[in-house]
Amino acid sequence: DAGVIQSPRHEVTEMGQEVTLRCKPISGHDYLFWYRQTMMRGLELLIYFNNNVPIDDSGMPEDRFSAKMPNASFSTLKIQPSEPRDSAVYFCASSLLGVSRYTFGSGTRLTVV
Amino acid sequence: SQQGEEDPQALSIQEGENATMNCSYKTSINNLQWYRQNSGRGLVHLILIRSNEREKHSGRLRVTLDTSKKSSSLLITASRAADTASYFCATDASGSRLTFGEGTQLTVNP
Repeated sequence: DAGVIQSPRHEVTEMGQEVTLRCKPISGHDYLFWYRQTMMRGLELLIYFNNNVPIDDSGMPEDRFSAKMPNASFSTLKIQPSEPRDSAVYFCASSLLGVSRYTFGSGTRLTVV
Repeated sequence: SQQGEEDPQALSIQEGENATMNCSYKTSINNLQWYRQNSGRGLVHLILIRSNEREKHSGRLRVTLDTSKKSSSLLITASRAADTASYFCATDASGSRLTFGEGTQLTVNP
């Protein structure tokens, strides 16, 4: 099992550009979570899916953020347009059941200049 | 406010010493989990303890749970420099997902 796979590992982009982060969860897991981590705010849950359906997106900071899960093996988090304050490490995690152990990806470090 | 709150925020010890981190939570839970995060990496699951359990061991890790006090502790015995990381507790109080605390930064000095 390759674990949760995120890409890219690092992303540097200019303010105003569109950014797309990708995640492949563990096969068979039916929950997928997107988190953002910064020094100031710690680990924040942005959105999570169950069986590809968004369940709670109350953590998405603004309309500039959107997430999709077109199938059980792929999810994207898009920021359009990006701003410097979006700079953070974005993690994807998956689990079998929403409250069982989570497996996290290695994260995408986003820098918006 | 955070469901799980770790204490202390930071802990610095010498190699070979034991490290104890605490987690408090506010509402009833079915399980509590501990995770480790090495710098620049994702969180890694360490151990899960259910509400009907009082203590659980895994290698050098010992977790206790006191549901009457709504608290848990993580003990790392005979610490090593490689144990340097942030440690998070997470609870399932929300019912459908975990809620993570803000973490304890552990530094083990060689």
